[in-house]
Amino acid sequence: GAGVSQSPSNKVTEKGKDVELRCDPISGHTALYWYRQRLGQGLEFLIYFQGNSAPDKSGLPSDRFSAERTGESVSTLTIQRTQQEDSAVYLCASRYQLTDTQYFGPGTRLTVL
Amino acid sequence: DQQVKQNSPSLSVQEGRISILNCDYTNSMFDYFLWYKKYPAEGPTFLISISSIKDKNEDGRFTVFLNKSAKHLSLHIVPSQPGDSAVYFCAASSASGTYKYIFGTGTRLKVLA
Repeated sequence: GAGVSQSPSNKVTEKGKDVELRCDPISGHTALYWYRQRLGQGLEFLIYFQGNSAPDKSGLPSDRFSAERTGESVSTLTIQRTQQEDSAVYLCASRYQLTDTQYFGPGTRLTVL
Repeated sequence: DQQVKQNSPSLSVQEGRISILNCDYTNSMFDYFLWYKKYPAEGPTFLISISSIKDKNEDGRFTVFLNKSAKHLSLHIVPSQPGDSAVYFCAASSASGTYKYIFGTGTRLKVLA
């Protein structure tokens, strides 16, 4: 498939556990974004990667959240010591450098019990 | 502070009629606007965009209007079809090169057959 893929599609975890979410962007897309959508809310920007530049982490809500991306490939979003308020759908999007449009994956629904 | 607002959480329209979805923004630095459509359990899909140098952009049944002085944009769908039933998000960004989108909270459109 040529689209953005994310795994797992669903994750249920206990409060205090760490979780790792994965995003496979569209091949050739240099920009990658993570967003979060809480129930009844809009999409909230978390972090942005562009090539080898330093990521824009301005949207990360706390130091429990971190993300990595190796080159222009896979990205992982890690949430340490999860809290119930972390429950949300986490969406990844990628963008080709010379265009404006972001293409979204299906998201990972995270539930923290 | 919500920089992008969609004040109507839901809208019902009869099939064949026009659907008008509204979006307001507060940041005058925004110069690029997009509409995304989201079906349940799927990621948002790009629908149509407009830059601030234009006041209208049309793509088939979808037209986006931008009123910069009022900081308002709207999406018109005509004629509306049952398959258009989804949540519609407007998003805005500024020409900082990152295309970091600020999303509204979405409007759920239901097209009645």
